[in-house]
Amino acid sequence: DAGVTQSPTHLIKTRGQHVTLRCSPISGHKSVSWYQQVLGQGPQFIFQYYEKEERGRGNFPDRFSARQFPNYSSELNVNALLLGDSALYLCASSPPVRVNEQYFGPGTRLTVT
Amino acid sequence: QQPVQSPQAVILREGEDAVINCSSSKALYSVHWYRQKHGEAPVFLMILLKGGEQKGHEKISASFNEKKQQSSLYLTASQLSYSGTYFCGTESIQGAQKLVFGQGTRLTINP
Repeated sequence: DAGVTQSPTHLIKTRGQHVTLRCSPISGHKSVSWYQQVLGQGPQFIFQYYEKEERGRGNFPDRFSARQFPNYSSELNVNALLLGDSALYLCASSPPVRVNEQYFGPGTRLTVT
Repeated sequence: QQPVQSPQAVILREGEDAVINCSSSKALYSVHWYRQKHGEAPVFLMILLKGGEQKGHEKISASFNEKKQQSSLYLTASQLSYSGTYFCGTESIQGAQKLVFGQGTRLTINP
């Protein structure tokens, strides 16, 4: 079975620009979570979606938004990029029965210059 | 609040044992353990739920003491493939699926 997929793999943006990151969960998984991982630190929770509804939000500014589509794929949008937004953005999906388990995708490496 | 992991880094020879600790100041419902190799995504190892259970996965096992709000990951007879950064993720509310990760423990296994 295919794992969680994310696109693009790498991205370079300029301060002030907007970015959209995409995630496809494992087949059959209906829950998607987004995390930001700054180099040398653990992942930090941004959003969680289940059945297209936001179920959780971390301590991130309103510049960060997300949505989940009917096929359970998800997008993370970040507006007005700052240098500090440079990080690895991870998407994780959870199976419907064992919702506590989260399986991460390879991530999108975002560099803001 | 972020759980605290200790030690921050460990260097071992192949075949040696290691213990990684994860401590939280908040009451916990579950503790999740992940291993991340450089440039790769975190890989799920195991979950321990409230109830003080212990789990095993080949030569990697873990315990969860909910009263002390602590979890420990045990790596026995370490292999080169065990190298990486280990993260604990904690969940305070059942079903929240919002994991709060520690800062990580870097494990290096030398031949």
